[in-house]
Amino acid sequence: AQSVSQHNHHVILSEAASLELGCNYSYGGTVNLFWYVQYPGQHLQLLLKYFSGDPLVKGIKGFEAEFIKSKFSFNLRKPSVQWSDTAEYFCAVNGKNAGNMLTFGGGTRLMVKP
Amino acid sequence: EAEVAQSPRYKITEKSQAVAFWCDPISGHATLYWYRQILGQGPELLVQFQDESVVDDSQLPKDRFSAERLKGVDSTLKIQPAELGDSAMYLCASSSGLAWDNEQFFGPGTRLTVL
Repeated sequence: AQSVSQHNHHVILSEAASLELGCNYSYGGTVNLFWYVQYPGQHLQLLLKYFSGDPLVKGIKGFEAEFIKSKFSFNLRKPSVQWSDTAEYFCAVNGKNAGNMLTFGGGTRLMVKP
Repeated sequence: EAEVAQSPRYKITEKSQAVAFWCDPISGHATLYWYRQILGQGPELLVQFQDESVVDDSQLPKDRFSAERLKGVDSTLKIQPAELGDSAMYLCASSSGLAWDNEQFFGPGTRLTVL
């Protein structure tokens, strides 16, 4: 079985601060990893994904994430957040032998103060 | 840009009533998913279809929930009878196939409130 843990449930930052959201997964095999974002009143959308290759992946809106296999982690980062980044962020995993079934973490609610 | 459509966007019902949600996936997407997202939690997969067949419904509470995709295109998720604990956002997603590297695209969801 696969599982995902997100350490921070709520994060409050001021504009221009740096962001790092933690994500750890559990799965005994090869995985795909994702970060999804849900802006207020909008649907869930893909921020970035890791399938293979370079463990540092870049997504939309200046976000990036690093896959560290030895730590089972896929932390999300952004060097300088904006008020418009206020949203809920979900980490998700899809194990190679689990079909195309995503398992999501509990989410991190980010509030950026102007 | 093609999107996953869901209706209604909001539904308020009383417990013991029946409710139904509809989803129309992106055209050509063979795989369709229903997720439930309880407030403050991440989405949880309820059922996965490939065309008209159920691939996985192990997390679907089958005593009260049912899902169908009769013609392999749009899908309906039904709850009968609804319970207070069913209040949640119900998300539909679709992908081009079952392969694990097929991206899932999500609809706007149906927010259900059971009174």
